[in-house]
Amino acid sequence: TQLLEQSPQFLSIQEGENLTVYCNSSSVFSSLQWYRQEPGEGPVLLVTVVTGGEVKKLKRLTFQFGDARKDSSLHITAAQPGDTGLYLCAGYMDSNYQLIWGAGTKLIIKP
Amino acid sequence: DSGVTQTPKHLITATGQRVTLRCSPRSGDLSVYWYQQSLDQGLQFLIQYYNGEERAKGNILERFSAQQFPDLHSELNLSSLELGDSALYFCASSVSGASSYEQYFGPGTRLTVT
Repeated sequence: TQLLEQSPQFLSIQEGENLTVYCNSSSVFSSLQWYRQEPGEGPVLLVTVVTGGEVKKLKRLTFQFGDARKDSSLHITAAQPGDTGLYLCAGYMDSNYQLIWGAGTKLIIKP
Repeated sequence: DSGVTQTPKHLITATGQRVTLRCSPRSGDLSVYWYQQSLDQGLQFLIQYYNGEERAKGNILERFSAQQFPDLHSELNLSSLELGDSALYFCASSVSGASSYEQYFGPGTRLTVT
């Protein structure tokens, strides 16, 4: 059972377009992390959100944690080829001290 | 550079064999995590060690085992290898035993079983 569902699984768009990827669950998380993984490398943490409704911005990337702390979104404005990669969300559950990983969204930005 | 090192970078071996993957965490980090990533898939958590003790177990097969040594480096042992074990194996480290803390990933070991 996949506790964290990421959508879409794959997205290919042109440079300059906007996009949103989603991370959804029926479970409540005490915090949620977003990582980006480039081909041939390990994931790198982009942001951690902790409070329901929290919004964090990282240049052209906007991250939001749902009010109920069950979902999160990542919005990229004016996507660039350098944004290409696998975006992974991971939620931490206090109830079992586990970090639960989503399957990832593979993003390709075409020049 | 995350500060986490993994060796070897690539490993090619035959079915039925046994291999050992090695990981050195970032200086000061006490937790080591092992993950498996098959082609174009997400990360599958295998196991976590904290300061030499097993802290959490994920979807780790009985053919796989791991340990963390007093100097905090860790080894993942894979035995009776099958074709389906071909994957990228990542090690990550964090300062705390709680997996909610940021994890720093190594460059991975690409295992090919033929």
